[in-house]
Amino acid sequence: DAGVTQSPTHLIKTRGQQVTLRCSPKSGHDTVSWYQQALGQGPQFIFQYYEEEERQRGNFPDRFSGHQFPNYSSELNVNALWLGDSALYLCASSLQTSGSTDTQYFGPGTRLTVL
Amino acid sequence: QKEVEQDPGPLSVPEGAIVSLNCTYSNSAFQYFMWYRQYSRKGPELLMYTYSSGNKEDGRFTAQVDKSSKYISLFIRDSQPSDSATYLCAMNSYSSASKIIFGSGTRLSIRP
Repeated sequence: DAGVTQSPTHLIKTRGQQVTLRCSPKSGHDTVSWYQQALGQGPQFIFQYYEEEERQRGNFPDRFSGHQFPNYSSELNVNALWLGDSALYLCASSLQTSGSTDTQYFGPGTRLTVL
Repeated sequence: QKEVEQDPGPLSVPEGAIVSLNCTYSNSAFQYFMWYRQYSRKGPELLMYTYSSGNKEDGRFTAQVDKSSKYISLFIRDSQPSDSATYLCAMNSYSSASKIIFGSGTRLSIRP
């Protein structure tokens, strides 16, 4: 049973560029959440996608956008990169159940370096 | 003030010791509490999950929640070198279940 997978593993970009990160959820999961983890910090919630729509968003600017495909995989796009966007970007998948909290399972992350 | 505060460590203990990791929180709406373990260059791995005050045990791990004090703990018994990792507390509310709020993590090292 494949867990959450993310690509690429590492990425180096320069300021002002745009980047797209990809995530495939754990088998049987239908919801994808994205987090940013700066060095020495805990993950910070960016947004969550369910049924191809953004359900909830954290405190991130509009430069951060996403998409979910019919097969539940997801992309995170970041425009106009700046140095502060350097971080580990984590994807987490879960299964929507009514009356319960999300139990989220994380992928290995994509490490983005902005120069 | 952050919604979740976690003792930053780092914490270094000898093999076999009992480890106590702690977090406090300020949002009384938090109802679900989790502990994740993160090895270097890996994503967080869910260790424990609980939603009620009291203790929950799973093998060598015990999660403790005190909602009246807004305080949660993770205890590791008979610690092993393989337990060396960063431990993240995390929590969310029923009305905002999608958004998990994490502590900053405690780096734990178990000395053989």
